[in-house]
Amino acid sequence: GESVGLHLPTLSVQEGDNSIINCAYSNSASDYFIWYKQESGKGPQFIIDIRSNMDKRQGQRVTVLLNKTVKHLSLQIAATQPGDSAVYFCAEKSYSGAGSYQLTFGKGTKLSVIP
Amino acid sequence: DTGVSQNPRHKITKRGQNVTFRCDPISEHNRLYWYRQTLGQGPEFLTYFQNEAQLEKSRLLSDRFSAERPKGSFSTLEIQRTEQGDSAMYLCASSVSHEQFFGPGTRLTVL
Repeated sequence: GESVGLHLPTLSVQEGDNSIINCAYSNSASDYFIWYKQESGKGPQFIIDIRSNMDKRQGQRVTVLLNKTVKHLSLQIAATQPGDSAVYFCAEKSYSGAGSYQLTFGKGTKLSVIP
Repeated sequence: DTGVSQNPRHKITKRGQNVTFRCDPISEHNRLYWYRQTLGQGPEFLTYFQNEAQLEKSRLLSDRFSAERPKGSFSTLEIQRTEQGDSAMYLCASSVSHEQFFGPGTRLTVL
């Protein structure tokens, strides 16, 4: 089964409002947790990541929160814009033992921004 | 545009045919990954190269699938005797550190 998943498959928000996208994970051994944005017809695009020893990290208009107690990850987007409309995936990164970091993705949340 | 390119962008084939996809990673990236993504799902790891060495393969990679990276630069993914269940987006990513940069993918449709 999947070790990373999302609570909501779709989310609609009004332009200018804040968006919160949630994710649950089950592998406590992951080193990093990452949020990706995927627009139609494109590959996933890195947004922000957080190390497992942190609980909050901020970027430009985005904040990722990590709650290791309940194994929960969230992405907050401030002042959501139409260009934020996309599918958002959380992924956990763990060392695979073969010299690489393996990404395990969840199913994705589709964010629709209403103008 | 991340700098990772994939060709073709779309491929339609009949069941039983062989197909080959190409990935050109960012030039200085020594690590290259292949993923498969079906509609509504996140990408699933298939295989990983460090330079020309294929170091890891997922159990998803059946014996009909083969990947190469002969000179440690571009990579090819071949699917033999395609089945309808192979229809998916095939994504390539490259990295030099922990951040992976994804290409636009090749969408395969098997009729």
